[in-house]
Amino acid sequence: GQSLEQPSEVTAVEGAIVQINCTYQTSGFYGLSWYQQHDGGAPTFLSYNALDGLEETGRFSSFLSRSDSYGYLLLQELQMKDSASYFCAVVNTGGFKTIFGAGTRLFVKA
Amino acid sequence: DSGVTQTPKHLITATGQRVTLRCSPRSGDLSVYWYQQSLDQGLQFLIQYYNGEERAKGNILERFSAQQFPDLHSELNLSSLELGDSALYFCASTPSGTPDNEQFFGPGTRLTVL
Repeated sequence: GQSLEQPSEVTAVEGAIVQINCTYQTSGFYGLSWYQQHDGGAPTFLSYNALDGLEETGRFSSFLSRSDSYGYLLLQELQMKDSASYFCAVVNTGGFKTIFGAGTRLFVKA
Repeated sequence: DSGVTQTPKHLITATGQRVTLRCSPRSGDLSVYWYQQSLDQGLQFLIQYYNGEERAKGNILERFSAQQFPDLHSELNLSSLELGDSALYFCASTPSGTPDNEQFFGPGTRLTVL
């Protein structure tokens, strides 16, 4: 089968750095995306990795290693507003299905 | 605001009933995706349409069906509703039919089946 595994919860303090991991089992995919979703809101796109390596977008960075079937989202200078759920996602090459991980709930404490 | 609109925002109905959820993609986007999100769960991909044609199918129940119309809006039809169908239903859109990395999500329709 195809699946993406994420930790269910992560807690960090304001101003800190947090890493949310995503390990996957899929036969083939185009790239790894990350989305943020606040309670009651819609998912919003954060970052995308087509190739191995690090992509940086402001306070957020994302990393992919296809050889390790692993990726992560790095959030720096955490703010209270970063408290939300974070999802990794792929589009598989066989059938164009979009697969989301179950999400990681991030709690940022003062 | 992503530019994707969904109606209605909330829907309350009874078991056994049929409902229709509507989605209008961003201007110019040709692909529409439908997702189901149950309480505290991840997003389950249901189906994708591109320019009126079905492009990809996920774990969509036989009781559910969708279509995309010539003006590119899409409707998701849910029939013989069960309690377990209560969920948030999101649609998303992208410009093309190729695997787009960034999907733009609408605000969702919250369906409650009593």
